[in-house]
Amino acid sequence: AQKITQTQPGMFVQEKEAVTLDCTYDTSDQSYGLFWYKQPSSGEMIFLIYQGSYDQQNATEGRYSLNFQKARKSANLVISASQLGDSAMYFCAMMGSGNQFYFGTGTSLTVIP
Amino acid sequence: EAGVVQSPRYKIIEKKQPVAFWCNPISGHNTLYWYLQNLGQGPELLIRYENEEAVDDSQLPKDRFSAERLKGVDSTLKIQPAELGDSAVYLCASSLDGWANTEAFFGQGTRLTVV
Repeated sequence: AQKITQTQPGMFVQEKEAVTLDCTYDTSDQSYGLFWYKQPSSGEMIFLIYQGSYDQQNATEGRYSLNFQKARKSANLVISASQLGDSAMYFCAMMGSGNQFYFGTGTSLTVIP
Repeated sequence: EAGVVQSPRYKIIEKKQPVAFWCNPISGHNTLYWYLQNLGQGPELLIRYENEEAVDDSQLPKDRFSAERLKGVDSTLKIQPAELGDSAVYLCASSLDGWANTEAFFGQGTRLTVV
């Protein structure tokens, strides 16, 4: 069975500051992918960043970076220089041998001006 | 290039009535997913298609839910009859293939309210 855990229901960050959103996962698969999605109030899930289980380096995409610690089974999302438009729900997801995405319960991020 | 298109965006129906959702995936994407998202929760898979074949429908409540993907492109998800507990957002997503290194692109979802 595969499981994603996001323990932060809500987070606040000051504009221009960095914020870390936590994600831990559980899987017996050797090969898997980890994803982060952003869901604004409009409802669409927007892909942010991907990390493969065999990737040696942490993934980065612009202001987004993924702090991947395989031994601890964690894949935290770091958003640098937060902007007001970053306010949204953030979901961590995993895909393994089952070829389906398993999502966490999400973290609501609010950026304060 | 257009993203994943879903319609309608919103639907309100009375319980016991039928309802259908439509999804047009990104051109060339072989894998199509239907997800259910309850308020305050992450999406949960209902069914996954590889081309026109439903390869994972283990979580689809088959007594009232059905889906099809004719010609391996557009897909429809139907509920008949709808129950109050079906009120949720129904998300469609597509990806090039179903491998673990391929991100899925999501539509804006259909928000269903059953009254």
